[in-house]
Amino acid sequence: GAVVSQHPSWVICKSGTSVKIECRSLDFQATTMFWYRQFPKQSLMLMATSNEGSKATYEQGVEKDKFLINHASLTLSTLTVTSAHPEDSSFYICSAPKPTSGGYEQYFGPGTRLTVT
Amino acid sequence: SQQGEEDPQALSIQEGENATMNCSYKTSINNLQWYRQNSGRGLVHLILIRSNEREKHSGRLRVTLDTSKKSSSLLITASRAADTASYFCATVEGGANSKLTFGKGITLSVRP
Repeated sequence: GAVVSQHPSWVICKSGTSVKIECRSLDFQATTMFWYRQFPKQSLMLMATSNEGSKATYEQGVEKDKFLINHASLTLSTLTVTSAHPEDSSFYICSAPKPTSGGYEQYFGPGTRLTVT
Repeated sequence: SQQGEEDPQALSIQEGENATMNCSYKTSINNLQWYRQNSGRGLVHLILIRSNEREKHSGRLRVTLDTSKKSSSLLITASRAADTASYFCATVEGGANSKLTFGKGITLSVRP
């Protein structure tokens, strides 16, 4: 079964509003989670690294004031797209590394499709 | 920035044929992973190969890694129409719990 969930799976919002996306690790704790964005017919681009108990680390070119990340617990990270614009419409995917006997394995959420009208 | 570069970018084959996809990267890595993504869906993890491994098998999948050439290949044998999807390689540079850097992806079409 799924080990990382995302909610919602899809959302439609109007320009100027804010949208919050949740990423949960279901059966393990994750001090770090990753947020990716994928535009149609393109690859996944890392947006930021979410760190439990501290500030997120953003990739170059990603506006931290627009994409707010909160990692308030060891099983939950949230991404809030503030003042959304149509160009923010994309597929947002989170991942979390789960400890395994061999080290870590990254588990991806099913993704959230955001459409801004 | 994109670390992995897959080759070819699009591949169309007949059902039953083998599909070979290549990935090159630029930096030292901890491991390299291959993922599949059906159109508009989430990622499916296929296989992980560590930097000290040269080859791994999983069912109809065979992955090789050549760290001296900074390249990897994914072979799907006896392809099926259901294998039609986009395939991505992704590298982990730091610790095994670090971020993944994805390549641009390969679109595989398997004709029935």
